[in-house]
Amino acid sequence: DAKTTQPNSMESNEEEPVHLPCNHSTISGTDYIHWYRQLPSQGPEYVIHGLTSNVNNRMASLAIAEDRKSSTLILHRATLRDAAVYYCILRVTSYDKVIFGPGTSLSVIP
Amino acid sequence: NAGVMQNPRHLVRRRGQEARLRCSPMKGHSHVYWYRQLPEEGLKFMVYLQKENIIDESGMPKERFSAEFPKEGPSILRIQQVVRGDSAAYFCASSRRDRGNEQYFGPGTRLTVT
Repeated sequence: DAKTTQPNSMESNEEEPVHLPCNHSTISGTDYIHWYRQLPSQGPEYVIHGLTSNVNNRMASLAIAEDRKSSTLILHRATLRDAAVYYCILRVTSYDKVIFGPGTSLSVIP
Repeated sequence: NAGVMQNPRHLVRRRGQEARLRCSPMKGHSHVYWYRQLPEEGLKFMVYLQKENIIDESGMPKERFSAEFPKEGPSILRIQQVVRGDSAAYFCASSRRDRGNEQYFGPGTRLTVT
């Protein structure tokens, strides 16, 4: 299975944009890029997903490199509620199990 | 629209007892997934079910663990003869038949084996 690489941790100031990077150099043409996050003591939460084009929703934006070997999750204005572990995941089909890596632990500083 | 519901939220069992964890998927969702998160570790996939069918159980321990998703009622994850190493948070997720990309997770059941 194609793997993803993310920094272990990142910090951001409140109300500033946050760019969370993810490398997936062995991605195949059929892999979708998904992002989930897990707030402390809660279940994971779907954030966004994409295949080739950049994607926007109410939670975040996903910027996908032209060669698809990397992507960036963008939180436009970090709030304290955005402090969580963010997981970048590759999935071949819609109904595959989600394989979680260690993720990036995001701290938001007031 | 209620989210994924799991009960109980906290469960304490003595070694050797049975644990039953319940998951009610979101309305209209026919796919259910179970994941386990051991203390200070990441989430691990256990099993994927559709109504009355187990689709993928590659993450289930071979013994003592079983799962079902009957035609009526919640999905059940059953752990027989629990041991201390079963202490973990167990999360259930569900998705719609036509929107499998988005899995919606419940709040989890925290199992403690004493």
